[in-house]
Amino acid sequence: QVQLQVSGPGLVKPSEPLSLTCSVSGDSIIRQYWNWIRQSPGKGLEWIGYIYSTGSTDYNPSLKSRITMSVDTSKNQVYLNLKSVTTADTAVYYCARAVVGTYSDYWGQGTLVTVSS
Amino acid sequence: ENVLTQSPGTLSLSPGERATLSCRASQTVNSRYLAWYQQKPGQAPRLLIYGASIRATGVPDRFSGSGSGTDFTLTISRLESEDFAVYYCQQYGSSPLAFGQGTKVEIK
Repeated sequence: QVQLQVSGPGLVKPSEPLSLTCSVSGDSIIRQYWNWIRQSPGKGLEWIGYIYSTGSTDYNPSLKSRITMSVDTSKNQVYLNLKSVTTADTAVYYCARAVVGTYSDYWGQGTLVTVSS
Repeated sequence: ENVLTQSPGTLSLSPGERATLSCRASQTVNSRYLAWYQQKPGQAPRLLIYGASIRATGVPDRFSGSGSGTDFTLTISRLESEDFAVYYCQQYGSSPLAFGQGTKVEIK
């Protein structure tokens, strides 16, 4: 059974960077795509982007200038970095396995990140 | 960008009733690349349908998806208590991938 665990700071100050780690177990991240998706409190889902295990990416244009995704295949982990956060970035952040970079069949439990001074 | 609009926003139904949820895209969804997810409070979304009509592993057959082009439907034939939740559609035929705003199915 594939399991994904997102970890990172629960609180980030405005203008600072946000870094999240998605640790995958039960499957190798190699030759697979991994989505990052977020959900603002009480709102819908927003696709942030995906990364393939080789490092190729596709980002949402609305966030592209501030996003970097990366992988560490030796650790079976996927990473999200978001620069210069604002209160609008407050959300639950999910990582999910993306079937050929498309829909997500396995999701992590998500982690709430609050942007506040 | 292909924008998805779901309707209705909220559906109030009783257990045993049929639920019909709509998802309309602003542009044709390539190759029926449309998925549906179910989300319950405090939980991550769960994949129900992909390819517009293919049930994901373990999804009961009371859930069915249909549609093509710009109009898609998720049908729950007979609502059970565990089906009351929020449902999202997602298109993955073009980048950026996009979700609809969700339909809440609540107990009447």
